[in-house]
Parts: sequence; structure tokens; C-alpha cells
Amino acid sequence: GAVVSQHPSWVICKSGTSVKIECRSLDFQATTMFWYRQFPKQSLMLMATSNEGSKATYEQGVEKDKFLINHASLTLSTLTVTSAHPEDSSFYICSAMSGAYTDTQYFGPGTRLTVL
Amino acid sequence: QKEVEQDPGPLSVPEGAIVSLNCTYSNSAFQYFMWYRQYSRKGPELLMYTYSSGNKEDGRFTAQVDKSSKYISLFIRDSQPSDSATYLCAMSDYNNAGNMLTFGGGTRLMVKP
Repeated sequence: GAVVSQHPSWVICKSGTSVKIECRSLDFQATTMFWYRQFPKQSLMLMATSNEGSKATYEQGVEKDKFLINHASLTLSTLTVTSAHPEDSSFYICSAMSGAYTDTQYFGPGTRLTVL
Repeated sequence: QKEVEQDPGPLSVPEGAIVSLNCTYSNSAFQYFMWYRQYSRKGPELLMYTYSSGNKEDGRFTAQVDKSSKYISLFIRDSQPSDSATYLCAMSDYNNAGNMLTFGGGTRLMVKP
């Protein structure tokens, strides 16, 4: 149980284009989903937290107009990187948790974004 | 000083060895403690999840929490080459459980055949 998927696993795009990454909870309903960014050999950096049907809460320093997050259903959240630039190249990982009080986060396999 | 400290390694051990991975933390409000394993270019996988102090065992893995010392450990018995990965500790406080995890920087483990 507690399986989270991400699509695509790897994407290459040209500078200036937008890229959408999907995160799905496959066998549970995720009331809360998180988006992280990870640079090589570094730990995870939380970008934003989203609750189903609500606007995402962004961490300090994360541009909400650049990283659009939509948590439209209890099993799907999307991250859209708008007008991507080479510095946005990174490993993006989502996680999800159910509403159970003692539940923890279950992570997706990650999406590697390369902006040329 | 970081809230959660973890030796980055790499830690290199021979196959079959007992591995000890550790984290120290400064926030006494942390109540929930997790260990995640992350293979290269993959998302973290939850290994162990403990609440408050004590030990928890699952197969070859044992998690220990010593809240008085603000110190947590993950022991891996009979280590295998497939255990080679980065191990991340994470923790959260009583009000949040799985919300707002604070991660250690990760320890890279290499188990040599």
C-alpha cells in the first residue's frame, strides 16, 4: 500500500517552455501533497504543500507564479514549471499523505527535469 | 547549526556487516521519527516510522530513538550490496505527525561484495 506515482520520470525541454509534472496516489486518498526539489548529493528541499481543493502554501523563496501547483482531486496533484530556464533543471519529487493523524509522507519516484 | 545533523559519509562496509546510521537533532518537540532509503535518481522509500522513544524492528532493520539524548539510529544487520543507497532521517513534532518533515542531509552507504 501507500504507492505514489509521478509522470513523466524524465523530461527535457527548451528554455522558455512550460512543463507539467503529475503526482498520483494510487491506493489511498491524499488529503495533503508536497512538492520537493533535490539537487545532486543534497537533501530534499520543500517547495510547497497543497491540500485538496485549496491553494498551495509555498515555502519562502519559492516563486508561486513560476511553480504552479494544482491539487484538484484526492489522488492527483500537478506541478507546472512555467517559462522554464536552465537553472530550473533539477530532480522534483512529490509526496502524499492521507488525513490520518499519525500518517507520514510517501514519496513518488521523482521527475528529472532538464532545461536546455 | 542545522536542526537535524547527519554524517554525509560515504560509509563503506563489507557485505554482511552491521551498519549503524545516526542522526542528532536539536528540537525537543520532535515526536515522530522516520528513516527513508533513497536509491540514486529515485524517490525516498519509507523504511521505518517510530513514535517517541524506544526500539522498533522490521526484518534486518532496527530503529532506535533516544529522546533524552536527541539521537536516533538505524541499524542494518547482514548488510547486502542492495542496501547501498542514501539514508535520510526525518522527523516532525507532535502537532504535525507527517506534516512538515525536517530532514537530515542523508548518509551515503556503500556495501561492498
